[in-house]
Amino acid sequence: DIRMTQSPSSLSASVGDRVTISCRASQPISIYLNWYQQRPGKAPKLLIYGASTLESGVPSRFSASGSGTDFTLTISSLQPEDFATYSCQQSYSTPRTFGQGTKVEIK
Amino acid sequence: EVQLVESGGGLVQPGGSLRLSCAASRFTVSSNHMSWVRQAPGKGLEWISIIYSGGNAFYADSVKGRFTISRDNSNNTLYLQMNSLRVEDTAVYYCARQGPGIEDYFDYWGQGILVTVSS
Repeated sequence: DIRMTQSPSSLSASVGDRVTISCRASQPISIYLNWYQQRPGKAPKLLIYGASTLESGVPSRFSASGSGTDFTLTISSLQPEDFATYSCQQSYSTPRTFGQGTKVEIK
Repeated sequence: EVQLVESGGGLVQPGGSLRLSCAASRFTVSSNHMSWVRQAPGKGLEWISIIYSGGNAFYADSVKGRFTISRDNSNNTLYLQMNSLRVEDTAVYYCARQGPGIEDYFDYWGQGILVTVSS
């Protein structure tokens, strides 16, 4: 199974800050990497697919990059509604696996 | 708007069984790849099963041999039959649709349903 490791596990930031979250795969996965946002008590929401393609309706302050084993999600200017948990997920092979999540909290 | 609505969760004793349902609207379940994903309390997301549009199904090792994914084309509903339940199966269970792109992502999710396995 491909192991997905996110860093950091949590971070504190202020509104307007630039935030970067990393995701590393235990083996190369090309660009088969997706990012999800999950607010407390809610279902995950797709933000980014194919490592860098923004899902329709997702604000342009979200961006992502990477290929192979190393990926990043960036929020250019953190907004109040962005405080949530972010998870990466590989779709290169079965079983599909997720990172452990990065919780973005208010400083 | 595409919608997925789970039902069938609840409290069950260890060793018991439960069947989850996921009713879909605005798209055809049998024409899409569909998955179940779960989240234990305070933990990350765990993919547990997929049924492809062609009918092939796959499972995570953690549920293989105990859980069965299926679908009912006439009701446009996805199911997860869970047998021999364990305390560690306690989680919120989500059904999710696999998006149309080759990148293979979950584009729509249900609201989630809680399964609690406890004596």
